[in-house]
Amino acid sequence: EPEVTQTPSHQVTQMGQEVILRCVPISNHLYFYWYRQILGQKVEFLVSFYNNEISEKSEIFDDQFSVERPDGSNFTLKIRSTKLEDSAMYFCASRGEGIYGYTFGSGTRLTVV
Amino acid sequence: GNSVTQMEGPVTLSEEAFLTINCTYTATGYPSLFWYVQYPGEGLQLLLKATKADDKGSNKGFEATYRKETTSFHLEKGSVQVSDSAVYFCALLSGNTGKLIFGQGTTLQVKP
Repeated sequence: EPEVTQTPSHQVTQMGQEVILRCVPISNHLYFYWYRQILGQKVEFLVSFYNNEISEKSEIFDDQFSVERPDGSNFTLKIRSTKLEDSAMYFCASRGEGIYGYTFGSGTRLTVV
Repeated sequence: GNSVTQMEGPVTLSEEAFLTINCTYTATGYPSLFWYVQYPGEGLQLLLKATKADDKGSNKGFEATYRKETTSFHLEKGSVQVSDSAVYFCALLSGNTGKLIFGQGTTLQVKP
């Protein structure tokens, strides 16, 4: 069964550093998403991406965040200057047309120290 | 705006007990509804879904029926197992961009 692959599975970074979280969506999918889950809390939408541009973003997704699909296969989330409160599990997801095949990756646990 | 409310946990049951996890939603129109499961240390897995009113989603013994009259999508299982211990999230598909809005999650603990 096709998978969404996220790397790394766990990243520890110092406050103020830049991090890039990587995702390889399912190959024929067209819509891409990032979500985050602060430990013990609910999963929150960050951003959606379609046709090489952001289609929607939440209020969490401020100027410190950016997304890119650099080469037609990877989908990355960059946090420019990490804060302690950015510590969370970040999930990538992708889907094809309609709601079918909406698939999540296994997540990257980001710890900011 | 659209939102999802789940019953608070944790829910602790004995093996073979009946499970209900309540989920209600607020939305414009009739969005598709989902249950996701998160096992300890893992990501989100789709458990079941329903795309229109009165649809019943089912998988692995779990069921949920889309009730537009009560705006609910309660998750049920007739006989839980220890391996069902996980966090369960109710979600709805919102807007044109296909973002998911999740409830706060309900932790289920099943004891032998």
